[in-house]
Amino acid sequence: KAGVTQTPRYLIKTRGQQVTLSCSPISGHRSVSWYQQTPGQGLQFLFEYFSETQRNKGNFPGRFSGRQFSNSRSEMNVSTLELGDSALYLCASSLSPASETQYFGPGTRLLVL
Amino acid sequence: ILNVEQSPQSLHVQEGDSTNFTCSFPSSNFYALHWYRWETAKSPEALFVMTLNGDEKKKGRISATLNTKEGYSYLYIKGSQPEDSATYLCASRIRIYNQGGKLIFGQGTELSVKP
Repeated sequence: KAGVTQTPRYLIKTRGQQVTLSCSPISGHRSVSWYQQTPGQGLQFLFEYFSETQRNKGNFPGRFSGRQFSNSRSEMNVSTLELGDSALYLCASSLSPASETQYFGPGTRLLVL
Repeated sequence: ILNVEQSPQSLHVQEGDSTNFTCSFPSSNFYALHWYRWETAKSPEALFVMTLNGDEKKKGRISATLNTKEGYSYLYIKGSQPEDSATYLCASRIRIYNQGGKLIFGQGTELSVKP
């Protein structure tokens, strides 16, 4: 079975731009979660999607949004980028949002200049 | 604010040493406790998911215990090897109403095993 894939792997943007990141879960997994990792902050929960519905959201500003498609693929969008948005963005998939193990993708490293 | 705390922040041991890390989490609204291993330049890899008080899980030389009443979990590595060098993350999934809840990660314990 193919693992979780994320595209692109690396991205450089400038302040004020917007960015869209993509995550394809493991086949059969319907739950996708997104996390932000910055030095000193650890992994911060962004949001979780299940069956095209956002089930949970972390404490991030409205500039961060996401969606999930009928094939369970998910996208995350950040508008009006700020320098502090530079981070590694990880997505993870699982069969369901319950206590199932989450399988992480390789991440997208975003640098905002 | 719901915090998950891990200690120590980093650990340097010699090959063959046994070691353990601690994860403290809020015991209220507890749903599950996850342990992950994160090697540099790789994706976090799931080690254990534990839900019941008193749970013990084992995978090779690595084992974990869970105490949901007092809100802590221990991860043990017996006879550490250089390939065990990684950051070990714990995450608590808290219950939110009737939903599965969200994962709150600790800062991780960075383990370095010298040959």
